[in-house]
Amino acid sequence: DAKTTQPPSMDCAEGRAANLPCNHSTISGNEYVYWYRQIHSQGPQYIIHGLKNNETNEMASLIITEDRKSSTLILPHATLRDTAVYYCIVRVVGGSSYKLIFGSGTRLLVRP
Amino acid sequence: NAGVTQTPKFQVLKTGQSMTLQCAQDMNHEYMSWYRQDPGMGLRLIHYSVGAGITDQGEVPNGYNVSRSTTEDFPLRLLSAAPSQTSVYFCASVAVGLNTEAFFGQGTRLTVV
Repeated sequence: DAKTTQPPSMDCAEGRAANLPCNHSTISGNEYVYWYRQIHSQGPQYIIHGLKNNETNEMASLIITEDRKSSTLILPHATLRDTAVYYCIVRVVGGSSYKLIFGSGTRLLVRP
Repeated sequence: NAGVTQTPKFQVLKTGQSMTLQCAQDMNHEYMSWYRQDPGMGLRLIHYSVGAGITDQGEVPNGYNVSRSTTEDFPLRLLSAAPSQTSVYFCASVAVGLNTEAFFGQGTRLTVV
């Protein structure tokens, strides 16, 4: 699975958009980009994933560059409850490999 | 539908003791895995299983054993606990197929003294 690079920490003001970048320059054509977050020391929580098209759900939007070497997770209106560590993961979907390889993630602090 | 359930939530062991961390899921997921998370670090894969009777090693398997006799359960065994195994342990399960997300348990906080 490809490795990812994320900034160790970021902050944003409550109510503003939080844009979390991720570099995955060695991503393969059959690898998806997944985002999870971990609030305090709870189990990681799935946010969103995509292959090459931009994706949106009730939690966030995922923007993947055309060359797929980087992506951005967007929380459109961050709240204090979005303070967490955010993990960007790339992995092959299908076959027998469902391993998630976590990096260090980005610690997002949402300020009041 | 409880999702992924881990027991116990907290455990203190003495060096050399053995114990089993339990993980159960009620979603009929084929794939299950165990991770450990040390302070300030990301999760590291210990062992995983793609179905009953099939297990394989992850990044940090030493000191841990697993078995998968049923689809629902995936216990993690520490045969002789060491202080280096002090960590938070997470179990996860995934449905095999395209576009699937992993579901995580709430973790077991283990301290080995």
